[in-house]
Amino acid sequence: SQQGEEDPQALSIQEGENATMNCSYKTSINNLQWYRQNSGRGLVHLILIRSNEREKHSGRLRVTLDTSKKSSSLLITASRAADTASYFCATGSFKTIFGAGTRLFVKA
Amino acid sequence: DTGVSQDPRHKITKRGQNVTFRCDPISEHNRLYWYRQTLGQGPEFLTYFQNEAQLEKSRLLSDRFSAERPKGSFSTLEIQRTEQGDSAMYLCASSSRNFTTSAKNIQYFGAGTRLSVL
Repeated sequence: SQQGEEDPQALSIQEGENATMNCSYKTSINNLQWYRQNSGRGLVHLILIRSNEREKHSGRLRVTLDTSKKSSSLLITASRAADTASYFCATGSFKTIFGAGTRLFVKA
Repeated sequence: DTGVSQDPRHKITKRGQNVTFRCDPISEHNRLYWYRQTLGQGPEFLTYFQNEAQLEKSRLLSDRFSAERPKGSFSTLEIQRTEQGDSAMYLCASSSRNFTTSAKNIQYFGAGTRLSVL
């Protein structure tokens, strides 16, 4: 069973808008990662946030982590059509557990 | 710089047949992972190797599934007596323990092998 649960399951926005995806997990973690998957392809690592960090930025990506609520959020600012993909949060160092993902569709 | 490669990309087989998939990780990576992904779901962990040792195996992996990494480089995943429920994307990933504590958790994925069991 999946540990991470993403919310929403699907998101459709216009190009230029911001997209926010949320992830909840069940057990204590050392770090949490976000991955992107384009249709029918492998996953690409986006960003890793450690359990002692509350916020992290990478380009247009902003990730927050609230270990007390066992939740994380991924914000993509100024979205582009090329951001259309599925986004997954993942926990665990070796036995990595992925959520079911948020499907983001950015309309040009 | 070559990434993780998987072969074949697509496999169509009849129920009851055996299939084998191959994964070539990034050359300096000593950790290798197999996942299964069905439509609309995230990847599900199947098994993990460090060098040639299989250190963890999911309960999802029935006795019909076996994975090997004989020389600590490439890996194979075999499914015996395939069933229609085995139809899925099988993903391989690799990582290195030689980086910083955080960086070694980053996994690099191949494009996957899509299995269709008829």
